[in-house]
Amino acid sequence: KAGVTQTPRYLIKTRGQQVTLSCSPISGHRSVSWYQQTPGQGLQFLFEYFSETQRNKGNFPGRFSGRQFSNSRSEMNVSTLELGDSALYLCASSLATSGSGEQYFGPGTRLTVT
Amino acid sequence: KQEVTQIPAALSVPEGENLVLNCSFTDSAIYNLQWFRQDPGKGLTSLLLIQSSQREQTSGRLNASLDKSSGRSTLYIAASQPGDSATYLCAVRDGSSNTGKLIFGQGTTLQVKP
Repeated sequence: KAGVTQTPRYLIKTRGQQVTLSCSPISGHRSVSWYQQTPGQGLQFLFEYFSETQRNKGNFPGRFSGRQFSNSRSEMNVSTLELGDSALYLCASSLATSGSGEQYFGPGTRLTVT
Repeated sequence: KQEVTQIPAALSVPEGENLVLNCSFTDSAIYNLQWFRQDPGKGLTSLLLIQSSQREQTSGRLNASLDKSSGRSTLYIAASQPGDSATYLCAVRDGSSNTGKLIFGQGTTLQVKP
């Protein structure tokens, strides 16, 4: 069974631009979560989607948004990029409908903002 | 507000040693606790998941315990090998909302010397 896939793996953008990252969950998984990882803040929760609905949202500005499609694939978008948005963005998927399931992470997208 | 702490931040041991990594959390109302491994620049690999009703889980040379009442978990690695060198992260699934949001510790970076 294929794992969680994320595209692109690496991205370089300029301040002020916008970016879209994609995540394909493990087949059959309907819950997708996004996390930002930086050396200073560690791993921080961005948002979670289940059956195309945002179920929870972390403490990030409105420039960060996401969505989930009917096939459970998810995208996150960051508008008006800032230097501080440089990070590893990780996506995780889970089978369980509640919060009790094991989460499986993708390889991440490394975003560099210059 | 749930907070997760991992001690020590870094650990260096000779090959063959048994070792214990510690994780503590401030709010005992959790759904589960998950241990992950992260290699430099890579995504997270799930090692063990302990549900709130369980006391421990084992996988190969790894054993994780959970004491909800004291807000602690330990990851025991037996007969460490150089290939175990990585950053180990623990994360709790917050019990305050029925979602998949994980709250992570800052990790313990392990180096196993041949």
